[in-house]
Amino acid sequence: DGGITQSPKYLFRKEGQNVTLSCEQNLNHDAMYWYRQDPGQGLRLIYYSQIVNDFQKGDIAEGYSVSREKKESFPLTVTSAQKNPTAFYLCASSQPGSYEQYFGPGTRLTVT
Amino acid sequence: AQRVTQPEKLLSVFKGAPVELKCNYSYSGSPELFWYVQYSRQRLQLLLRHISRESIKGFTADLNKGETSFHLKKPFAQEEDSAMYYCALIDGNKLVFGAGTILRVKS
Repeated sequence: DGGITQSPKYLFRKEGQNVTLSCEQNLNHDAMYWYRQDPGQGLRLIYYSQIVNDFQKGDIAEGYSVSREKKESFPLTVTSAQKNPTAFYLCASSQPGSYEQYFGPGTRLTVT
Repeated sequence: AQRVTQPEKLLSVFKGAPVELKCNYSYSGSPELFWYVQYSRQRLQLLLRHISRESIKGFTADLNKGETSFHLKKPFAQEEDSAMYYCALIDGNKLVFGAGTILRVKS
């Protein structure tokens, strides 16, 4: 079950600490996305990247940062500035010109 | 801003009953719409897109521009249809998702 991998599955952090979530894909997709999934709110876009070394803010980028140094990798850092970081985070990728997104298994982050 | 509304958080039906998961959208122009599904302990995946006008696992969805709707339908629900369903539309080069509807099919 390759494609997109996210690690770890569960992550626990203390408040005030930055934490980085991993997302790797071997689908040779140019575009990658980070979403946050909260009950009753669906998927909300945090950041996305259409190409290496370029990324754009989504609807809820505040308190998050990303990098896209390699095509295969799109790590998300949840900073201490994010007011409500406890959530389920999903990474996705897609081919240029296709809007079908392929999703990873997700990481559940708990900050206490 | 473009928006997708799924008015029902939970839809519970009996096996064999018809299913309709509602989706309404606001979009200026010709929308491109999708249904994604997340089964228990599985990844979110594409179910169908309106452009292809296909039927997947017995589900169909018709775009109604007059009513700005893209409801997902199945004539006879099966227990394995129980899942979270998301309606989504393309906005520029990204997808906008609705809040999702949990479908529970009871035996």
